[in-house]
Amino acid sequence: EAGVTQFPSHSVIEKGQTVTLRCDPISGHDNLYWYRRVMGKEIKFLLHFVKESKQDESGMPNNRFLAERTGGTYSTLKVQPAELEDSGVYFCASSRWDRPYGYTFGSGTRLTVV
Amino acid sequence: DAKTTQPTSMDCAEGRAANLPCNHSTISGNEYVYWYRQIHSQGPQYIIHGLKNNETNEMASLIITEDRKSSTLILPHATLRDTAVYYCIVRLRTNTGNQFYFGTGTSLTVIP
Repeated sequence: EAGVTQFPSHSVIEKGQTVTLRCDPISGHDNLYWYRRVMGKEIKFLLHFVKESKQDESGMPNNRFLAERTGGTYSTLKVQPAELEDSGVYFCASSRWDRPYGYTFGSGTRLTVV
Repeated sequence: DAKTTQPTSMDCAEGRAANLPCNHSTISGNEYVYWYRQIHSQGPQYIIHGLKNNETNEMASLIITEDRKSSTLILPHATLRDTAVYYCIVRLRTNTGNQFYFGTGTSLTVIP
């Protein structure tokens, strides 16, 4: 089966611009998660979807970040307007059930805000 | 507010056991310890997890101390393909689901 796909793999944008990251989970995986690693820090939880519903968005840093999962398939994470501190790697993971040993991570999107 | 601490880097000779330590002194009774690894340019991959008993699977063994304040991931016969960043993770289970708290990771280099 195809893995979790994220694109773009890299994005370089200027401060103040908008960027949209996309994640395509494994087909049939109801659970979708976003994590990110900002430079020099640990990978941190952002939010969790079950199908199209936001199950837990306690990790979203501020209201410049908007995540959607229309139709319960792919998900997008929009950053608007982007700030320098948003630079990092954004990972998406999916699982059939909410069991962490079943998480499959994508390769991540490296975002650089200049 | 890191829940786990790990050495930044380690080396291991090919064919020898790699022992990767992790401290999680503030872990709660219902929080599991997970290990994932990330090979260059890929996403993190699951290795093993446990609560309080030692665990073993085809990839590795996980030894958790009795007080659960630390654990060790053991790769019994390291190969060059095991060169990666290894993350020790505490899983917090909330009313709404699971959250991973990643450590900063240990960069393991397996030397020929």
